[in-house]
Amino acid sequence: GDSVTQMEGPVTLSEEAFLTINCTYTATGYPSLFWYVQYPGEGLQLLLKATKADDKGSNKGFEATYRKETTSFHLEKGSVQVSDSAVYFCALSLTSGTYKYIFGTGTRLKVLA
Amino acid sequence: EAQVTQNPRYLITVTGKKLTVTCSQNMNHEYMSWYRQDPGLGLRQIYYSMNVEVTDKGDVPEGYKVSRKEKRNFPLILESPSPNQTSLYFCASSPMGRERAQPQHFGDGTRLSIL
Repeated sequence: GDSVTQMEGPVTLSEEAFLTINCTYTATGYPSLFWYVQYPGEGLQLLLKATKADDKGSNKGFEATYRKETTSFHLEKGSVQVSDSAVYFCALSLTSGTYKYIFGTGTRLKVLA
Repeated sequence: EAQVTQNPRYLITVTGKKLTVTCSQNMNHEYMSWYRQDPGLGLRQIYYSMNVEVTDKGDVPEGYKVSRKEKRNFPLILESPSPNQTSLYFCASSPMGRERAQPQHFGDGTRLSIL
């Protein structure tokens, strides 16, 4: 079935370190792909999205590229800040036949000063 | 301000006592959805609705009901709650894209404890 697999956390980095959070997916058809971020005590917020192969989503220094050949959508940031500490969710949405959303299990990021 | 509003934010109740969690959005979105968030399992979709009077099951619909009588509201109903429904619940909404899914706007969550 359709699914999203994220690397397990927590991920602990020092400030200004490079961040990669891996995300791979299994889906029929051509899903849209998203990264959401959840800060403590809050709901999820959209971080970035991509709707077709080779699209690159970017926001607040974060980037992810829709790789159809490897069914991946890895999240990257060149220099993390303490304020980036949060839980990051990779998600996909199917838009043919069903409008289900499928989320990964989330990856907790902790950035140390 | 554009928002998705859930009520209550916190609820402790007992097994078998019917409860409703309300969700309202002010963005005129067609699509609304309910999720539960559990440690190690991420977010799992319970039900979704693509418009008024149109609802469909997500991945974990057992034990839940929903209705969509008005565009702005999408209540989640637990007819006979059980302890395994203790969780953090989120409502979300989005416009319906012509071909591709649109990002969702999330409420702040409802923490339910069923004793």
